[in-house]
Amino acid sequence: EAEVAQSPRYKITEKSQAVAFWCDPISGHATLYWYRQILGQGPELLVQFQDESVVDDSQLPKDRFSAERLKGVDSTLKIQPAELGDSAMYLCASSLAYRGPSTDTQYFGPGTRLTVL
Amino acid sequence: DAKTTQPPSMDCAEGRAANLPCNHSTISGNEYVYWYRQIHSQGPQYIIHGLKNNETNEMASLIITEDRKSSTLILPHATLRDTAVYYCIVRVSHDYKLSFGAGTTVTVRA
Repeated sequence: EAEVAQSPRYKITEKSQAVAFWCDPISGHATLYWYRQILGQGPELLVQFQDESVVDDSQLPKDRFSAERLKGVDSTLKIQPAELGDSAMYLCASSLAYRGPSTDTQYFGPGTRLTVL
Repeated sequence: DAKTTQPPSMDCAEGRAANLPCNHSTISGNEYVYWYRQIHSQGPQYIIHGLKNNETNEMASLIITEDRKSSTLILPHATLRDTAVYYCIVRVSHDYKLSFGAGTTVTVRA
């Protein structure tokens, strides 16, 4: 069964350092999402891509976060500089498309657990 | 977006059916009901979704009331591996966002 791949699974960094997370969506999925999940809460959307274009990054803290999906396949989420409050699980999801219930079911990867010291 | 209300936690016995309720009294006609679950330290897993009719797949059944104000997710034979947080989400078909609430923590006991 096809899965969303993410790496690394765990990352520990010191505040003010830069970190990057990688996501490889399910093959053929045009839409890619990055979510952040703080411990004890549900995931919250940070950014959505349709192919290589950003559809929604309204919840992305753009002063320190950036996301790219250059060739419309895999994606990288970067934080620079990391702050203590960034400690969370960063989840990537993908869907075949993003409009219509038959194609927009989102499938999640295992996540990257970030700890900022 | 319509909001959902779920009990914070519930227990069920291994091998028995688990019935997870969800209230969505302000749901609109074009909003679907989605269920995801999240096993500890893993990403959310899609379970099932529906609009009006009851739905069944290899994982679960979704029963939606006729007035669509509530639904029940049924795990027919719960196993220990079904222990997880279960999220009920209502979502307009053209809205890409999944708005996760607190969910229901389900503990399956031997």
